[in-house]
Amino acid sequence: DQQVKQNSPSLSVQEGRISILNCDYTNSMFDYFLWYKKYPAEGPTFLISISSIKDKNEDGRFTVFLNKSAKHLSLHIVPSQPGDSAVYFCAAHNQGGKLIFGQGTELSVKP
Amino acid sequence: GAGVSQTPSNKVTEKGKYVELRCDPISGHTALYWYRQSLGQGPEFLIYFQGTGAADDSGLPNDRFFAVRPEGSVSTLKIQRTERGDSAVYLCASATGVGETQYFGPGTRLLVL
Repeated sequence: DQQVKQNSPSLSVQEGRISILNCDYTNSMFDYFLWYKKYPAEGPTFLISISSIKDKNEDGRFTVFLNKSAKHLSLHIVPSQPGDSAVYFCAAHNQGGKLIFGQGTELSVKP
Repeated sequence: GAGVSQTPSNKVTEKGKYVELRCDPISGHTALYWYRQSLGQGPEFLIYFQGTGAADDSGLPNDRFFAVRPEGSVSTLKIQRTERGDSAVYLCASATGVGETQYFGPGTRLLVL
C-alpha cells in the first residue's frame, strides 16, 4: 500500500510564477513531513520540513502547508527559478526513523 | 563539512554474485539509514542503525540482504546471490539521531546483468 502519494508525475511552470507540488498520505500517525529535491545522478537534498503540530512552515522562497484533516500537504515555490527544475519527493515518518516517500514529481521551470 | 559518501558510485555485476556497498556517514551522526530507489519510484526503506545496532530491518526484502555497522560509523550493505531485480540505486542517509533530518549520499547504482 502506498502510504504517501504524489499523484502528479510532472509539472511545468514559467519562471517567476508559483510552483505548487502536492502530496497526500493515508497514515494519521505520521508526525513529521519533509520535502526533498533530487537532481539526476545525485542523492536527495533536504529542502524543508513541517511537524504535524503546525500547518505552515516557510523558508525563503519555499513554503510547506499541512492540512491534517485532509491528510494533504503542499510545497509552494515562489518565485520559481530554472534552477528549481528537479524531482521533488514528499516524505513522512511516525516517531520511528524510517521515511516513507512518495513517487516524486518532476518540476520543470521554463525561462 | 563533508557530506555522506558512498562507494562505489557504480557497480555492475553478474547474476548470482556477491556485492558490498559502503556508506560513510557525516561525522558524529549516530543514525544511519539505507534505502533503495528503483526507476520512477521514490526511495524505499531497507534498514536503519542507531549506533552499532540495527534498530529496524523491516525493509530488507529477503535474507540475501544484510547490513552491518560494526563501529557505529561506516556501514556496509551486503547482497548475496544477486538477482536482476536487485538493480537499483542504493541510497544511504545519516542523521544526528533517530527522527532527525536525514542527509543523503549520492547513491550507488547497482546493475545486475
